[in-house]
Amino acid sequence: EPEVTQTPSHQVTQMGQEVILRCVPISNHLYFYWYRQILGQKVEFLVSFYNNEISEKSEIFDDQFSVERPDGSNFTLKIRSTKLEDSAMYFCASRRGGGRTNEKLFFGSGTQLSVL
Amino acid sequence: AQSVAQPEDQVNVAEGNPLTVKCTYSVSGNPYLFWYVQYPNRGLQFLLKYITGDNLVKGSYGFEAEFNKSQTSFHLKKPSALVSDSALYFCAVRLPNTDKLIFGTGTRLQVFP
Repeated sequence: EPEVTQTPSHQVTQMGQEVILRCVPISNHLYFYWYRQILGQKVEFLVSFYNNEISEKSEIFDDQFSVERPDGSNFTLKIRSTKLEDSAMYFCASRRGGGRTNEKLFFGSGTQLSVL
Repeated sequence: AQSVAQPEDQVNVAEGNPLTVKCTYSVSGNPYLFWYVQYPNRGLQFLLKYITGDNLVKGSYGFEAEFNKSQTSFHLKKPSALVSDSALYFCAVRLPNTDKLIFGTGTRLQVFP
C-alpha cells in the first residue's frame, strides 16, 4: 500500500529556532494535512491544504506556522520561532478526495519535535 | 462545542474473547465517523468509517463498528480478539462542511494471551 513519508523522524531544536518538517504525501492525493499529538494527549488538527492554499486551520495554527507545497511532491510545515509547548509528534496526512469513498486519511509515521 | 469521548483509557481482553472500544460524540449535523489505530512508533492507520447507510460497518482486520444515532455512539467491536490487536485506538468525527477530524483521547487495547 502507498505510504506518506515524513522526515526527519526526530528533530531537536532550541527554543526560538525555526524548524521545517517535511512530508511526501501519496502521489495522486489532493488534500494534505498536518496534525500533532502532544505526549499523552489527543491528536489535534492543525491545518488542511488543497489546491495550493490553506482550506482550513485551527486556532493552534497561528502566525508562527506556515505550510507549503513547493514542488508538487513535498508538503512542509514550518515553525518560525519554536516554543517549548511546540514539542509534540507532528503527523502529516493526505487523502485522494473526490467523494465519500476517498474519505480515508493516510498518515505518515510522524516527526517527534523536541524544543529545548 | 464539537467533541468526541472515549470513556475508557484502557481496555483489557483475553485473546479469543470479543472486544468493544467505546466512542460517543457530541456534534451538530450528520458527522462522518472514523476509527483509526496506532501501533508503536507508527502513524495512525484507518480502520473503518461511517458516512451513511447501514449502521453496521465493517473494516480492516475483522473490526466492525455500529453507528447509533439516538445514543450518538460509534463503538468499535471485534468478535474474537488477537494479541496483535493490542494498540491505541482513536475514534474521530468529521462534519461534512469542514475538513478536519476531531479525535477522541484514545483507548489503549491490551489483548492478553
